[in-house]
Amino acid sequence: QLQLQESGPGLVKPSETLSLTCTVSGNSVSDYSYYWGWIRQPPGKGLEWIGTIYYKGSTYYNPSLQSRVTMSVDMSKNQFSLKLSAVTAADAAVYYCGRRPNWNYVFDNWGQGTQVSVSS
Amino acid sequence: QSVLTQSPSASGTPGQRITMSCSGSSSNIGTKAVHWYQLVSGTAPNLVIYNNDRRPSGVPDRFSGSKSGTSASLAISGLQSEDEADYYCASWDDSLNGPVFGGGTKLTVL
Repeated sequence: QLQLQESGPGLVKPSETLSLTCTVSGNSVSDYSYYWGWIRQPPGKGLEWIGTIYYKGSTYYNPSLQSRVTMSVDMSKNQFSLKLSAVTAADAAVYYCGRRPNWNYVFDNWGQGTQVSVSS
Repeated sequence: QSVLTQSPSASGTPGQRITMSCSGSSSNIGTKAVHWYQLVSGTAPNLVIYNNDRRPSGVPDRFSGSKSGTSASLAISGLQSEDEADYYCASWDDSLNGPVFGGGTKLTVL
């Protein structure tokens, strides 16, 4: 059974870098059939796509965040990661990781999300 | 400001049928499929409808979806208390080259 689990600090200081990891079980991040991505939900707001990565290293970022986002895959640990630099209060959100089949434009499985706050 | 537009709230009584809508544009819903997610705080978002009207395995047939032009709808019949959640529509946006979402509809079962 596929499971995705986000992990990382729940509190980040302004101007620092937010780092999150998604650990995948029940599927391999090197499975050529899938992309892997990050989506977030600020408090009281809707969902926002952050970016998507393919195991070969291809990355696709939301233009509004592109200058601050880096995603990577660690096949040895079956994980993929998100780094968001120069965070501000606007980056406080629940961060979800998810899986997207390469034959469809939908994230079909998500993690339960991890809350990230930004404060000094 | 979400790219897709949803009504912020909906409500119904047990057993009732409710619908909620999602509006987009030609760069997303008008040319791409619509998907619907059920979000309950603290749990993983659950895909309840994909490709406009398809139900993933395990989703009750009380859930149905439709699309027309640049709008889509999610219907839930035989409403149950466990259906109380936030529902988000999603589609792919050619301008963004990524998924876009609605602002969510909070469903209350009275």
